[in-house]
Amino acid sequence: EVQLVESGGGLVKPEGSLRLSCEASGFTFKNAGMSWVRQVPGKGLEWVGRIKSKTDGGTTHYAAFVNGRFTISRDDSKNTLYLQMNSLKTEDTALYYCTFTYCSGGTCYSYSWGQGTLVTVSS
Amino acid sequence: SYVLTQPPSVSVAPGETASIACGGNNIGSKSVHWYQQRPGQAPVLVIYYNNDRPSGIPERFSGSNSGNTATLTISRVEAGDEADYYCQVWDSNSDLGLFGGGTKLTV
Repeated sequence: EVQLVESGGGLVKPEGSLRLSCEASGFTFKNAGMSWVRQVPGKGLEWVGRIKSKTDGGTTHYAAFVNGRFTISRDDSKNTLYLQMNSLKTEDTALYYCTFTYCSGGTCYSYSWGQGTLVTVSS
Repeated sequence: SYVLTQPPSVSVAPGETASIACGGNNIGSKSVHWYQQRPGQAPVLVIYYNNDRPSGIPERFSGSNSGNTATLTISRVEAGDEADYYCQVWDSNSDLGLFGGGTKLTV
């Protein structure tokens, strides 16, 4: 069974930093593309970014609103995905989900989701 | 940029059929995926590649996609189907997923 467990959320002041983690199990993590998706409480889903597996090049892609502030990385030896968030803004307040992103035939979808970790940016 | 449009809400009586639309320019040329999000829970994939169901998703869930509209259809709706539903396509320009605004299904 695929399991994704996020951690690292919390309260941070504007312009502060936070690192989220996502521990994966139940599948071969090193071969998996992974994504972060966020959701402002009461609002819709928004893709933050994704990282390909190292065999697919290990490249990262980010939404325009990230604007160089966030970095997605992975440690395949620990089956863990990370999201380093710097220069946080109040509008980054959201529940952040880690997802196992499956890609084929020119499209991708989030096959499994964690339960999310809440990030609150407030002074 | 590409935009997916969903109705904010759909209401249906138990046992009836619910149809949730997802509009986009020539969306029929793309693969559409659907997620269910029950209150307080993480999203769950219910349809991928327009009309494929992951294991564990009831046959009551089906999808179609043609022209400018993709549709999620839920037959014999149950109280447990009450949730927010999101459509999603892949944006080749950004190489990221793009979600519709979501539809709240009330049973």
